[in-house]
Amino acid sequence: EAGVTQFPSHSVIEKGQTVTLRCDPISGHDNLYWYRRVMGKEIKFLLHFVKESKQDESGMPNNRFLAERTGGTYSTLKVQPAELEDSGVYFCASSPNRNTQYFGPGTRLTVL
Amino acid sequence: ILNVEQSPQSLHVQEGDSTNFTCSFPSSNFYALHWYRWETAKSPEALFVMTLNGDEKKKGRISATLNTKEGYSYLYIKGSQPEDSATYLCSLYSGGGADGLTFGKGTHLIIQP
Repeated sequence: EAGVTQFPSHSVIEKGQTVTLRCDPISGHDNLYWYRRVMGKEIKFLLHFVKESKQDESGMPNNRFLAERTGGTYSTLKVQPAELEDSGVYFCASSPNRNTQYFGPGTRLTVL
Repeated sequence: ILNVEQSPQSLHVQEGDSTNFTCSFPSSNFYALHWYRWETAKSPEALFVMTLNGDEKKKGRISATLNTKEGYSYLYIKGSQPEDSATYLCSLYSGGGADGLTFGKGTHLIIQP
C-alpha cells in the first residue's frame, strides 16, 4: 500500500512569491491533516479535512494560507504571498479514523 | 494551551546500551498519546498509540508506558543500535474541538558505535 506522498520535496522561493504544496493521502483515508515545523520548534497543526470539508482550521497562521481538497482526494496548501517566517517543513498526514495518523515525508520550504 | 514537554532534548547513547526518555503532558487534557520515530527527510513513523492509564506497548526492542493520572509517558529502547538514531516525537490528541495532534519538540537520539 502506498504511503502519504508530498510534492515537491523541497521548494526555494523569494519573499512575495506564491508556492503550492500538494499532498496525496493514503487511498481511502477520509481524514487529511496539514502540519508545519518551523526550525527549532515543535510540529504544529494547521488544519483538518474530512473528505472535502474543512473540519478544523484553527491552526492556520493567517489568510496568506489557503488549503483545498476538491473531490476529497489530494489536497493543496497555497502560500500567497510567502514571507520569511513561512520557512519550515510542511507535513501532511492522513487517517481512516481519528486514531493513528500516517505522515508524509514533508515539503521543506525555504523563503529567501 | 496544551503543552507537551519532552526530555531530554538530545541524547547520545553507546551502541548496546539501553535508554529511555520522557513525555509530560497536562493530565486533565487527555484522549490519546502517540509516539512517532522521525528521521530527517523521511516520514515520521507511528510507533504507538496509547489511550489507557497503565498501558504498556512493545514493538521489538522499543516499548512505552503511559500514566495519565500523573501526565507522563516513557519510551524505552533496549540494546540500542545505530539504526535507532532518530528524533522521537510525542504527541497528544486531547479531543474536544481541536482535531490535530499537539507535539512536543522531540528527543534527538544519537547512537554511537
